[in-house]
Amino acid sequence: DTGVSQDPRHKITKRGQNVTFRCDPISEHNRLYWYRQTLGQGPEFLTYFQNEAQLEKSRLLSDRFSAERPKGSFSTLEIQRTEQGDSAMYLCASSLLAGGHTDTQYFGPGTRLTVL
Amino acid sequence: GENVEQHPSTLSVQEGDSAVIKCTYSDSASNYFPWYKQELGKGPQLIIDIRSNVGEKKDQRIAVTLNKTAKHFSLHITETQPEDSAVYFCAAPDSNYGGSQGNLIFGKGTKLSVKP
Repeated sequence: DTGVSQDPRHKITKRGQNVTFRCDPISEHNRLYWYRQTLGQGPEFLTYFQNEAQLEKSRLLSDRFSAERPKGSFSTLEIQRTEQGDSAMYLCASSLLAGGHTDTQYFGPGTRLTVL
Repeated sequence: GENVEQHPSTLSVQEGDSAVIKCTYSDSASNYFPWYKQELGKGPQLIIDIRSNVGEKKDQRIAVTLNKTAKHFSLHITETQPEDSAVYFCAAPDSNYGGSQGNLIFGKGTKLSVKP
């Protein structure tokens, strides 16, 4: 257990519905990342936050996706008007950026989304 | 941007043998290379990482070697055990996004099977 938690662990929804996932990072970590992983592939970057600021978004990220980290602690990822292609594992990772070194990322257990 | 290639995609070994997984990267400025282990239905777990100021790092049965000139790094697992069976991912920082080196680019993974 890395200390990163995600909720829910599994979500089944119908096409066109909105879904929201939550991530609670390791408490002292200032960076929080969202990745998506499909079967047989490595995680793919979606977006990340440093404290409450969203610093980068993947150029591949649809406008139907939005993420927030309002108080610099937990984060939510919302997908609007879900499509079957959104079915994947959504992973959250957190890290502590310090001293100018590339930060070490610790992953949560993921949320498995199935869109019917 | 960074591109990470990982080989082999599957690897089967007998218990007690060694396993080696190799990755190549494209961005000579990359300076941090983590390895993750992912078991079925779980998030990636960091098992070892290396920074570009060293050529090798060991942690019990696991070691990582880095060749900056050739731009490749390898994971070595000695005395393999059935519980080492999992998918292993290598990664490197993504240089696409403003040079912040926040998010990681992952290889496609290696499914390691250790036969008792």
